[in-house]
Amino acid sequence: EIVMTQSPATLSVSPGERATLSCRASQSVSSNLAWYQQKPGQAPRLLIYGASTRATGIPARFSGSGSGTEFTLTISSLQSEDFAVYYCQQYNNWPRGLTFGGGTKVEIK
Amino acid sequence: QVQLVESGGGLVKPGGSLRLSCAASGFTFSDYYMSWIRQAPGKGLEWVSYISSSGSTIYYADSVKGRFTISRDNAKNSLYLQMNSLRAEDTAVYYCARDLPTIDYWGQGTLVTVSS
Repeated sequence: EIVMTQSPATLSVSPGERATLSCRASQSVSSNLAWYQQKPGQAPRLLIYGASTRATGIPARFSGSGSGTEFTLTISSLQSEDFAVYYCQQYNNWPRGLTFGGGTKVEIK
Repeated sequence: QVQLVESGGGLVKPGGSLRLSCAASGFTFSDYYMSWIRQAPGKGLEWVSYISSSGSTIYYADSVKGRFTISRDNAKNSLYLQMNSLRAEDTAVYYCARDLPTIDYWGQGTLVTVSS
């Protein structure tokens, strides 16, 4: 099983600042990596797929990069609505399984 | 618009059974792969099971293999999860998800609580 590790667990950022979230895979997943945002009491929302392609309707301040085992989600200028938990997900061995990282909580500093 | 609406959650004793349903609308259900994904209280996301568009290919997470059964009825635009031999660690919100394999649509979730 491919293990996804996210860091940091919590990121304290001031509104308007840049946030950089990391995700590492235990083995190469090529570019088969997605990012999701989840707010309290809500289902996750797809942000990025293919490691760097924004999903429909996702603002340009969200960007993804990386391939193989190291990935980054960058939020260029945090807005109030961006404070949430972010999960990475690999789908390299789909459909035999999807695995998610443990999440990074982005909180207001 | 695409909608996925889960139902069937609730409180069940360890060893008991529950059947979750997901009603899909706003898209051609029979064209899409589907999955169940769960989230224990305060925890992260865990993929549970996958079913192909026709229902001919199915996969399960090791944690539920032999206890859970996924199925679908394309004529009724519905996805199901039969959960048997439930354990305390199965307590979670269960999401129905449209699987691309990225999950572009999620239901609102249904809470399953396994407790005596």
